Amino acid sequence: AQSVTQPDIHITVSEGASLELRCNYSYGATPYLFWYVQSPGQGLQLLLKYFSGDTLVQGIKGFEAEFKRSQSSFNLRKPSVHWSDAAEYFCAVRGYNTNAGKSTFGDGTTLTVKP
Amino acid sequence: EPEVTQTPSHQVTQMGQEVILRCVPISNHLYFYWYRQILGQKVEFLVSFYNNEISEKSEIFDDQFSVERPDGSNFTLKIRSTKLEDSAMYFCASRGRQGQETQYFGPGTRLLVL
Repeated sequence: AQSVTQPDIHITVSEGASLELRCNYSYGATPYLFWYVQSPGQGLQLLLKYFSGDTLVQGIKGFEAEFKRSQSSFNLRKPSVHWSDAAEYFCAVRGYNTNAGKSTFGDGTTLTVKP
Repeated sequence: EPEVTQTPSHQVTQMGQEVILRCVPISNHLYFYWYRQILGQKVEFLVSFYNNEISEKSEIFDDQFSVERPDGSNFTLKIRSTKLEDSAMYFCASRGRQGQETQYFGPGTRLLVL
């Protein structure tokens, strides 16, 4: 079974500071990994994804994430946070499956940005 | 850029009533999904649909739920007799053919059961 753990429920950073959101996954083979962002009352916006190849992936809004197989991690980073980054962030894993390919989401991390 | 659309954006219903949530996946996509998110909680998988049949369903997806692709464009989720605990945001998602791995999510339908 696939699972995702986001250890940090809530993170607060100052505007302009760097950010790292942690994500650990469990899956029997190489997974497909995703980060989504959700503003209050809104849908899920895909930030970035990892399928294979270069383990450092770039996404939208200046975000990047690094896949570390040895640590079963896919942490999200941003060098300088903007106030508009305040939102809920979800890490998700999906396994290779011919017909289903459901995504399993973590519990989410709420990001608060201090002025 | 193609998008997944969902209607209605909000729906309020009485307990015991039937609701149908509608989704228009991205054209030419082959895999379809429903997820739900109870307020303040994580996104949970409900069901996946491919080749006109359910591929996988979660334990949440009991006999009260059904999905249908009645024509070439719509994908619907029906809840036969709603319960208070069905109140949630329901997301539809679609994915292209095998090898196209990204799921594209719709904006969601917020369902409130009174």
